[in-house]
Amino acid sequence: ETGVTQTPRHLVMGMTNKKSLKCEQHLGHNAMYWYKQSAKKPLELMFVYSLEERVENNSVPSRFSPECPNSSHLFLHLHTLQPEDSALYLCASSQDYILGPNGGNEKLFFGSGTQLSVL
Amino acid sequence: LAKTTQPISMDSYEGQEVNITCSHNNIATNDYITWYQQFPSQGPRFIIQGYKTKVTNEVASLFIPADRKSSTLSLPRVSLSDTAVYYCLVGDRDDKIIFGKGTRLHILP
Repeated sequence: ETGVTQTPRHLVMGMTNKKSLKCEQHLGHNAMYWYKQSAKKPLELMFVYSLEERVENNSVPSRFSPECPNSSHLFLHLHTLQPEDSALYLCASSQDYILGPNGGNEKLFFGSGTQLSVL
Repeated sequence: LAKTTQPISMDSYEGQEVNITCSHNNIATNDYITWYQQFPSQGPRFIIQGYKTKVTNEVASLFIPADRKSSTLSLPRVSLSDTAVYYCLVGDRDDKIIFGKGTRLHILP
Protein backbone atom coordinates (compact mmCIF):
# COMPACT_ATOMS: atom_id res chain seq x y z
CA GLU A 1 0.00 0.00 0.00
CA THR A 2 1.65 3.21 -1.19
CA GLY A 3 -0.91 5.66 0.13
CA VAL A 4 -2.04 6.51 -3.40
CA THR A 5 -5.35 5.00 -4.51
CA GLN A 6 -6.61 4.93 -8.09
CA THR A 7 -10.07 4.00 -9.30
CA PRO A 8 -11.21 2.22 -11.32
CA ARG A 9 -8.52 -0.45 -11.75
CA HIS A 10 -9.86 -1.39 -15.17
CA LEU A 11 -11.93 0.59 -17.64
CA VAL A 12 -13.29 -0.25 -21.06
CA MET A 13 -14.83 2.56 -23.02
CA GLY A 14 -16.00 3.36 -26.50
CA MET A 15 -14.59 6.25 -28.50
CA THR A 16 -17.70 8.35 -27.91
CA ASN A 17 -17.86 7.81 -24.15
CA LYS A 18 -16.90 10.22 -21.40
CA LYS A 19 -15.28 8.79 -18.30
CA SER A 20 -13.10 9.97 -15.44
CA LEU A 21 -10.16 8.45 -13.63
CA LYS A 22 -9.76 9.24 -9.96
CA CYS A 23 -6.68 9.41 -7.78
CA GLU A 24 -6.49 10.06 -4.05
CA GLN A 25 -3.39 10.35 -1.91
CA HIS A 26 -3.29 10.04 1.87
CA LEU A 27 0.31 11.15 2.31
CA GLY A 28 -0.09 14.87 2.79
CA HIS A 29 1.88 15.53 -0.40
CA ASN A 30 1.73 18.77 -2.33
CA ALA A 31 2.36 17.50 -5.85
CA MET A 32 0.43 15.04 -7.98
CA TYR A 33 1.15 13.58 -11.39
CA TRP A 34 -0.49 11.70 -14.25
CA TYR A 35 1.66 9.31 -16.28
CA LYS A 36 0.72 7.17 -19.26
CA GLN A 37 2.36 3.83 -19.93
CA SER A 38 1.64 2.11 -23.21
CA ALA A 39 2.57 -1.53 -23.70
CA LYS A 40 6.32 -2.07 -23.36
CA LYS A 41 7.04 1.67 -23.50
CA PRO A 42 8.54 4.02 -20.92
CA LEU A 43 6.28 6.04 -18.70
CA GLU A 44 5.23 9.31 -20.28
CA LEU A 45 4.65 12.28 -18.02
CA MET A 46 1.31 13.90 -18.87
CA PHE A 47 0.46 16.46 -16.19
CA VAL A 48 1.84 17.79 -12.93
CA TYR A 49 -0.03 19.69 -10.27
CA SER A 50 1.68 21.49 -7.43
CA LEU A 51 -0.45 22.96 -4.66
CA GLU A 52 -3.49 22.44 -6.90
CA GLU A 53 -2.05 24.43 -9.79
CA ARG A 54 -1.06 22.81 -13.05
CA VAL A 55 2.65 23.26 -13.60
CA GLU A 56 3.30 20.81 -16.42
CA ASN A 57 1.29 19.91 -19.50
CA ASN A 58 3.43 17.86 -21.83
CA SER A 59 1.67 18.38 -25.16
CA VAL A 60 -1.19 16.13 -24.17
CA PRO A 61 -4.22 16.10 -26.52
CA SER A 62 -7.24 18.04 -25.30
CA ARG A 63 -9.30 14.86 -25.07
CA PHE A 64 -7.48 14.38 -21.77
CA SER A 65 -8.54 16.96 -19.19
CA PRO A 66 -7.03 16.95 -15.70
CA GLU A 67 -8.61 18.39 -12.60
CA CYS A 68 -7.14 18.90 -9.15
CA PRO A 69 -9.84 20.16 -6.76
CA ASN A 70 -7.57 19.88 -3.71
CA SER A 71 -4.13 18.60 -2.84
CA SER A 72 -5.41 15.09 -2.07
CA HIS A 73 -7.45 14.44 -5.20
CA LEU A 74 -6.63 14.32 -8.89
CA PHE A 75 -8.90 13.45 -11.78
CA LEU A 76 -8.34 12.73 -15.43
CA HIS A 77 -11.43 13.35 -17.53
CA LEU A 78 -11.55 11.41 -20.78
CA HIS A 79 -13.68 12.08 -23.85
CA THR A 80 -13.68 10.97 -27.48
CA LEU A 81 -10.58 8.85 -26.97
CA GLN A 82 -8.87 6.87 -29.69
CA PRO A 83 -7.84 3.20 -29.59
CA GLU A 84 -4.18 4.26 -29.35
CA ASP A 85 -5.02 5.86 -26.01
CA SER A 86 -5.36 2.39 -24.52
CA ALA A 87 -2.72 2.18 -21.82
CA LEU A 88 -2.03 2.00 -18.12
CA TYR A 89 -2.65 5.40 -16.55
CA LEU A 90 -0.70 6.00 -13.40
CA CYS A 91 -1.14 8.61 -10.73
CA ALA A 92 1.71 9.59 -8.43
CA SER A 93 2.40 12.06 -5.69
CA SER A 94 5.48 13.59 -4.12
CA GLN A 95 6.07 15.79 -1.13
CA ASP A 96 6.76 18.80 -3.31
CA TYR A 97 7.41 19.68 -6.94
CA ILE A 98 10.64 21.58 -6.95
CA LEU A 99 11.85 23.54 -9.92
CA GLY A 100 15.57 23.92 -10.11
CA PRO A 101 18.55 21.61 -9.83
CA ASN A 102 16.97 19.39 -7.22
CA GLY A 103 13.72 18.82 -9.11
CA GLY A 104 14.65 15.33 -10.12
CA ASN A 105 15.34 14.22 -6.57
CA GLU A 106 11.75 13.97 -5.49
CA LYS A 107 10.56 10.52 -4.50
CA LEU A 108 7.40 9.51 -6.30
CA PHE A 109 4.69 7.35 -4.78
CA PHE A 110 2.55 5.66 -7.41
CA GLY A 111 -0.91 4.19 -7.37
CA SER A 112 -1.66 0.82 -8.95
CA GLY A 113 -2.95 2.45 -12.10
CA THR A 114 -6.04 2.24 -14.27
CA GLN A 115 -5.79 -0.14 -17.21
CA LEU A 116 -7.77 1.60 -19.95
CA SER A 117 -9.01 -0.06 -23.11
CA VAL A 118 -10.60 2.09 -25.81
CA LEU A 119 -12.70 0.18 -28.31
CA LEU B 1 19.50 16.67 -20.47
CA ALA B 2 20.88 14.19 -17.99
CA LYS B 3 20.48 10.75 -19.49
CA THR B 4 20.77 7.29 -18.03
CA THR B 5 21.81 4.10 -19.77
CA GLN B 6 20.90 0.69 -18.40
CA PRO B 7 20.97 -2.83 -19.83
CA ILE B 8 17.68 -3.63 -21.53
CA SER B 9 17.34 -6.97 -19.78
CA MET B 10 19.07 -9.35 -17.40
CA ASP B 11 18.50 -12.93 -16.28
CA SER B 12 19.56 -14.42 -12.98
CA TYR B 13 18.72 -17.33 -10.71
CA GLU B 14 17.04 -17.52 -7.37
CA GLY B 15 19.39 -17.02 -4.43
CA GLN B 16 21.98 -15.09 -6.40
CA GLU B 17 23.04 -11.50 -5.95
CA VAL B 18 22.05 -9.28 -8.87
CA ASN B 19 23.85 -6.08 -9.79
CA ILE B 20 22.31 -3.65 -12.25
CA THR B 21 24.56 -0.82 -13.41
CA CYS B 22 23.33 2.52 -14.67
CA SER B 23 25.49 5.05 -16.51
CA HIS B 24 24.79 8.77 -16.06
CA ASN B 25 27.79 10.61 -17.45
CA ASN B 26 26.16 14.03 -17.36
CA ILE B 27 24.89 13.91 -13.80
CA ALA B 28 24.71 17.36 -12.22
CA THR B 29 26.35 18.29 -8.95
CA ASN B 30 23.07 18.47 -7.04
CA ASP B 31 21.46 15.35 -8.53
CA TYR B 32 20.63 12.31 -6.49
CA ILE B 33 20.30 8.86 -8.06
CA THR B 34 16.98 7.12 -7.54
CA TRP B 35 15.90 3.58 -8.38
CA TYR B 36 12.37 2.29 -8.82
CA GLN B 37 10.92 -1.19 -9.29
CA GLN B 38 7.85 -1.90 -11.40
CA PHE B 39 5.80 -5.08 -11.58
CA PRO B 40 3.46 -5.69 -14.55
CA SER B 41 0.29 -3.62 -14.48
CA GLN B 42 1.38 -1.74 -11.37
CA GLY B 43 2.96 1.62 -10.66
CA PRO B 44 6.69 1.89 -10.00
CA ARG B 45 7.79 1.58 -6.41
CA PHE B 46 10.66 3.57 -4.89
CA ILE B 47 13.54 1.30 -3.90
CA ILE B 48 16.51 3.42 -2.92
CA GLN B 49 18.12 6.82 -3.40
CA GLY B 50 21.68 7.98 -2.93
CA TYR B 51 24.13 10.76 -3.64
CA LYS B 52 27.57 9.20 -3.20
CA THR B 53 29.40 6.15 -1.83
CA LYS B 54 27.05 3.47 -0.54
CA VAL B 55 23.47 3.40 0.67
CA THR B 56 21.77 0.32 2.08
CA ASN B 57 18.22 -0.37 3.14
CA GLU B 58 16.14 -3.46 3.80
CA VAL B 59 15.58 -4.05 0.10
CA ALA B 60 18.81 -3.19 -1.73
CA SER B 61 22.17 -1.48 -1.74
CA LEU B 62 23.28 1.33 -4.00
CA PHE B 63 26.94 1.78 -4.86
CA ILE B 64 28.09 5.10 -6.31
CA PRO B 65 31.73 5.68 -7.27
CA ALA B 66 33.51 8.92 -6.51
CA ASP B 67 32.99 10.38 -10.00
CA ARG B 68 29.23 9.61 -9.76
CA LYS B 69 29.07 8.83 -13.48
CA SER B 70 27.51 5.48 -12.78
CA SER B 71 25.70 3.63 -10.03
CA THR B 72 24.99 -0.01 -9.25
CA LEU B 73 21.84 -1.35 -7.69
CA SER B 74 22.56 -4.55 -5.78
CA LEU B 75 19.77 -6.99 -4.90
CA PRO B 76 20.91 -9.69 -2.46
CA ARG B 77 19.67 -13.26 -2.78
CA VAL B 78 16.93 -12.62 -5.32
CA SER B 79 13.73 -14.61 -5.51
CA LEU B 80 11.19 -15.14 -8.28
CA SER B 81 9.21 -12.22 -6.92
CA ASP B 82 12.05 -9.85 -7.79
CA THR B 83 11.23 -10.29 -11.48
CA ALA B 84 10.37 -6.76 -12.52
CA VAL B 85 11.56 -3.71 -14.44
CA TYR B 86 14.10 -1.56 -12.60
CA TYR B 87 14.49 2.12 -13.43
CA CYS B 88 17.45 4.36 -12.67
CA LEU B 89 16.66 8.08 -12.54
CA VAL B 90 18.68 11.22 -12.10
CA GLY B 91 17.44 14.78 -12.26
CA ASP B 92 17.57 16.51 -15.60
CA ARG B 93 17.98 20.14 -16.60
CA ASP B 94 14.27 20.47 -17.16
CA ASP B 95 13.78 19.16 -13.65
CA LYS B 96 11.21 16.65 -14.70
CA ILE B 97 10.98 13.16 -13.35
CA ILE B 98 11.57 11.19 -16.53
CA PHE B 99 11.60 7.41 -16.67
CA GLY B 100 13.70 5.64 -19.29
CA LYS B 101 13.17 2.11 -20.57
CA GLY B 102 14.59 0.48 -17.46
CA THR B 103 16.11 -2.97 -17.05
CA ARG B 104 13.83 -5.96 -17.33
CA LEU B 105 15.10 -8.44 -14.72
CA HIS B 106 13.98 -12.04 -15.05
CA ILE B 107 14.67 -14.39 -12.17
CA LEU B 108 14.78 -18.07 -13.03
CA PRO B 109 14.15 -20.95 -10.62
